[in-house]
Amino acid sequence: DVKVTQSSRYLVKRTGEKVFLECVQDMDHENMFWYRQDPGLGLRLIYFSYDVKMKEKGDIPEGYSVSREKKERFSLILESASTNQTSMYLCASSLMGGNYTFGSGTRLTVV
Amino acid sequence: AQSVTQLDSHVSVSEGTPVLLRCNYSSSYSPSLFWYVQHPNKGLQLLLKYTSAATLVKGINGFEAEFKKSETSFHLTKPSAHMSDAAEYFCVVSDQYTGGTSYGKLTFGQGTILTVHP
Repeated sequence: DVKVTQSSRYLVKRTGEKVFLECVQDMDHENMFWYRQDPGLGLRLIYFSYDVKMKEKGDIPEGYSVSREKKERFSLILESASTNQTSMYLCASSLMGGNYTFGSGTRLTVV
Repeated sequence: AQSVTQLDSHVSVSEGTPVLLRCNYSSSYSPSLFWYVQHPNKGLQLLLKYTSAATLVKGINGFEAEFKKSETSFHLTKPSAHMSDAAEYFCVVSDQYTGGTSYGKLTFGQGTILTVHP
C-alpha cells in the first residue's frame, strides 16, 4: 500500500523554537505539498515542490521554509515558531497530474 | 486564479434522508474538481473527482456530484444518509496549468461538517 508518512502525530514546541516537520513518501512521486488545516478555513497551501531542490510558495508561506534534498522527503521548517502557527499540518504527494496521497497529519501546538 | 466556496459550514440530516452539500467554484481554466471526506481523527479520503468527462460523477459509499458549468457548481449528493457518513467534507478545485506546467495544486473549500441524527 502506498504511503505518505509524517514523522510525528503530535508535537508541542515553545515560542521561538526552530521546528522541523518531516514527510516521506514511498511512491516515487515528483510533487510534494505542505498544507495547514484550521477549523473553518479548510486546507491552505504553504509550499510545494515539483522536483528535488525545487520549491514554490503556496498561498501562506510567511514564517515557513522547506527543504527537498531527496525525492522522497519534503521537510517543512518553522524558523521561529509562534503561537499562530499552532495547527494541523498535512503533507501530500502526487504524480504530475495524478491523484494526491495525504499523510495522516501532524498536530503542532506552540506554547 | 481559482477558488472554492462551500455554501454551508454545517449540515444536519436524519439517517435515511437525502444529503446535499453545496459547492461553487471559480477557475480561469477548465477545472478538475474533487470531493474529499475527513472522518474525526482520520486522514483525507478521496470521494470522487471530475476531470472533464461525464458531468455526473459517481464516487464511493453512494455519493455522487454533478458538474454544472453554467452555474459553476459541483454539489455533492447522496440519496440516503447513514450514520457513518458523519464527517467533514471538502470541495476542491485543481489548477491545470501554472506557467505552462501542470503541478496540480489543490485549492480547498472551507469544509462542511455533516451531522447525521438517528
